[in-house]
Amino acid sequence: GEEVAQTPKHLVRGEGQKAKLYCAPIKGHSYVFWYQQVLKNEFKFLISFQNENVFDETGMPKERFSAKCLPNSPCSLEIQATKLEDSAVYFCASSQPERDRFFGPGTRLTVL
Amino acid sequence: EDQVTQSPEALRLQEGESSSLNCSYTVSGLRGLFWYRQDPGKGPEFLFTLYSAGEEKEKERLKATLTKKESFLHITAPKPEDSATYLCAVTSAGGGNKLTFGTGTQLKVEL
Repeated sequence: GEEVAQTPKHLVRGEGQKAKLYCAPIKGHSYVFWYQQVLKNEFKFLISFQNENVFDETGMPKERFSAKCLPNSPCSLEIQATKLEDSAVYFCASSQPERDRFFGPGTRLTVL
Repeated sequence: EDQVTQSPEALRLQEGESSSLNCSYTVSGLRGLFWYRQDPGKGPEFLFTLYSAGEEKEKERLKATLTKKESFLHITAPKPEDSATYLCAVTSAGGGNKLTFGTGTQLKVEL
């Protein structure tokens, strides 16, 4: 597609439940990035992929967060046993190598 | 560690009143400087990428420039629909390929 697609738009989970977010990058883009926006304008990098391979996972809280990008499937970000502090908007972005980077509309996760 | 600072935090302009937003950066080997616009409840909308000092890019009423220490986003004769938060971000040789964001400038353009 011509735009980065993210589903669902909103997700509500009770504390301790699992949350799974999906991202379809722009067709032809080999890089996918996940960011977390907690406070109004603070973006925290989580993880990036080059095709289906993890490129940089330095931002991932490894105990509960995992992510995958498999061929012919949307990329996913999964949070096991969600906590209140996981409430945020999660953005996915995609790009070609060293080129313009485009963001999706985000998934708002609310943990109650 | 890469650092990006944007100023001012908030800016209120009258329609037609031109101004500039600033993004200063400290990085180890700049690879790219990105400008985005973000409306409430939406994802960042891509505006420009600048790669080297002296580079300039324009789109409608917006013009982005880059020096070795900072970037400016010039807004000429703004309209109310230009109201949004403008975000600056960098990638660097020392930071992998992740974007490091500033905290944005919230722009409001009034009639």
